[in-house]
Amino acid sequence: GENVGLHLPTLSVQEGDNSIINCAYSNSASDYFIWYKQESGKGPQFIIDIRSNMDKRQGQRVTVLLNKTVKHLSLQIAATQPGDSAVYFCAHQGGKLIFGQGTELSVKP
Amino acid sequence: DTEVTQTPKHLVMGMTNKKSLKCEQHMGHRAMYWYKQKAKKPPELMFVYSYEKLSINESVPSRFSPECPNSSLLNLHLHALQPEDSALYLCASSQDSMGQGAYNEQFFGPGTRLTVL
Repeated sequence: GENVGLHLPTLSVQEGDNSIINCAYSNSASDYFIWYKQESGKGPQFIIDIRSNMDKRQGQRVTVLLNKTVKHLSLQIAATQPGDSAVYFCAHQGGKLIFGQGTELSVKP
Repeated sequence: DTEVTQTPKHLVMGMTNKKSLKCEQHMGHRAMYWYKQKAKKPPELMFVYSYEKLSINESVPSRFSPECPNSSLLNLHLHALQPEDSALYLCASSQDSMGQGAYNEQFFGPGTRLTVL
């Protein structure tokens, strides 16, 4: 079956540094991936998405990289700020949305 | 209006109670979803409504009963729940349902924190 998972459950970074959150998937037929941010007490919030015909997509301070060869997805956050502290989920959409396990990002001032 | 609202924010109920969770969106979305999320875990899909019809039921116990009165509203009726049903219940909506080849961003509400005693 499909599996969308994250390598690390927690990540702590210094304010101003760059953050990299990783995600691995097992289904080579996966064709659309999304990153969500979930702050405490809130629902998941869409950050950025990428389709399988792309390797990289950039947003404001965020970049998603897709390596289809090793079935790996990453989210890069530039100049991490305290407001970036949250749980980040990667998800695959194929008929329904399947979430990975999540990485909790903590930003140290 | 790009918001999904959910009420109540918190709910505490006994195992013999009947209660309902409510979800509303005014984005003209035709697909609506219920998810269950346990602490420190990802959301798990429960139900999908597409054009006001139930299209997916992820083998959810019958003590959870969804209802879609119209295209803007989604309810989840609860009856005879168990303590292990305590969780955050999230509602989401998207332009259309997620068929293969369709890419529809899901907008999530803030959730209802449910505690079953």
